[in-house]
Amino acid sequence: GAGVSQSPSNKVTEKGKDVELRCDPISGHTALYWYRQSLGQGLEFLIYFQGNSAPDKSGLPSDRFSAERTGGSVSTLTIQRTQQEDSAVYLCASSLPGTVWLYFGPGTRLTVT
Amino acid sequence: AQRVTQPEKLLSVFKGAPVELKCNYSYSGSPELFWYVQYSRQRLQLLLRHISRESIKGFTADLNKGETSFHLKKPFAQEEDSAMYYCALVEYGNKLVFGAGTILRVKS
Repeated sequence: GAGVSQSPSNKVTEKGKDVELRCDPISGHTALYWYRQSLGQGLEFLIYFQGNSAPDKSGLPSDRFSAERTGGSVSTLTIQRTQQEDSAVYLCASSLPGTVWLYFGPGTRLTVT
Repeated sequence: AQRVTQPEKLLSVFKGAPVELKCNYSYSGSPELFWYVQYSRQRLQLLLRHISRESIKGFTADLNKGETSFHLKKPFAQEEDSAMYYCALVEYGNKLVFGAGTILRVKS
């Protein structure tokens, strides 16, 4: 079956613009995670969902970041008023119920100019 | 506070040499730890889990609670082992936190 998919694969935006990043998890995976990958910072946890609810939003860097998940499936990560420091690869992952064996998507490379 | 520490950003070894990628963790409960790997132009993927005590692609990792370590080892490195390796810890619930990663370069 298909793995985790993310769109767009690349996004270049001007500082101050809003962006939306999309994640389609593997069917049947109830948990969905967002991470940010940048040089020297490793994988930074942003948020995770169990079903449609987000038990832990502690990783979101600022109130410019938000995420939602609908129908227990697709998730959207929104960054408002983008800043240059938001430039990174945003990774989505999903897992089966009761496990933390994560299946990762290919990522969205965001560049803020 | 740093929960997972990978002290080496880059580890360079010759083919056939032993490899040890270091990981230390900070966690008050009973830890659940993983190693993930990202090969060039591929997705991040699970390599191994401490609870299964398995050997994958010749790699093993032993949890040492006394030293709070979960180092990844392989007796003889191969060129195809070159990749970015991340150590990860399950925090409360199902939150998985990662270290900063170590780039392994195996030279011929």
